[in-house]
Amino acid sequence: DVKVTQSSRYLVKRTGEKVFLECVQDMDHENMFWYRQDPGLGLRLIYFSYDVKMKEKGDIPEGYSVSREKKERFSLILESASTNQTSMYLCASSLSPGRVEQFFGPGTRLTVL
Amino acid sequence: AQSVTQLGSHVSVSEGALVLLRCNYSSSVPPYLFWYVQYPNQGLQLLLKYTTGATLVKGINGFEAEFKKSETSFHLTKPSAHMSDAAEYFCAVSPYGNNRLAFGKGNQVVVIP
Repeated sequence: DVKVTQSSRYLVKRTGEKVFLECVQDMDHENMFWYRQDPGLGLRLIYFSYDVKMKEKGDIPEGYSVSREKKERFSLILESASTNQTSMYLCASSLSPGRVEQFFGPGTRLTVL
Repeated sequence: AQSVTQLGSHVSVSEGALVLLRCNYSSSVPPYLFWYVQYPNQGLQLLLKYTTGATLVKGINGFEAEFKKSETSFHLTKPSAHMSDAAEYFCAVSPYGNNRLAFGKGNQVVVIP
């Protein structure tokens, strides 16, 4: 089975802090994704990566950046956290182009005070 | 660009009754279609998917969905609701050959004893 892990289940940070969310998948998937989930809004794509060192903006990239130095690891970075970034963050991966089924991690619930 | 519509953010169903969750999509090319389920404080888990072939798709936990191209729909059903079906359900669509998934806003299902 594919396993996608996220570094923290719950995280509390202060406004202005730099925040790193880490995601690791163990099945050699090419594609990795970061979403945020908010009540009534569903899942919104922040960034995705289809290869090491490659990234593409999703629908809501403002205030976020990403890093993919190794195939199995995809990091989401909040350069200066703000209260409106309080949310559930979900990481996902998929095998390759054309194999679009995504496998999700357990999520990180981030609270910015 | 593709979009996904799920009507009714909250759906109440009596234990033993039919579960019906509606999903309509817009896509300019033949899509791949998915239903995911999310239990409280967890990530998303794949319920079922349609890629090609038979339009009636069976998934886990007794759920099934039917792809109707003429109606651009992919409704999810389960003949008899169980208390354990209480969760949030998301419909997602990906046009053929596209890495990304577009998600609906989700249906929160409440099962009444």
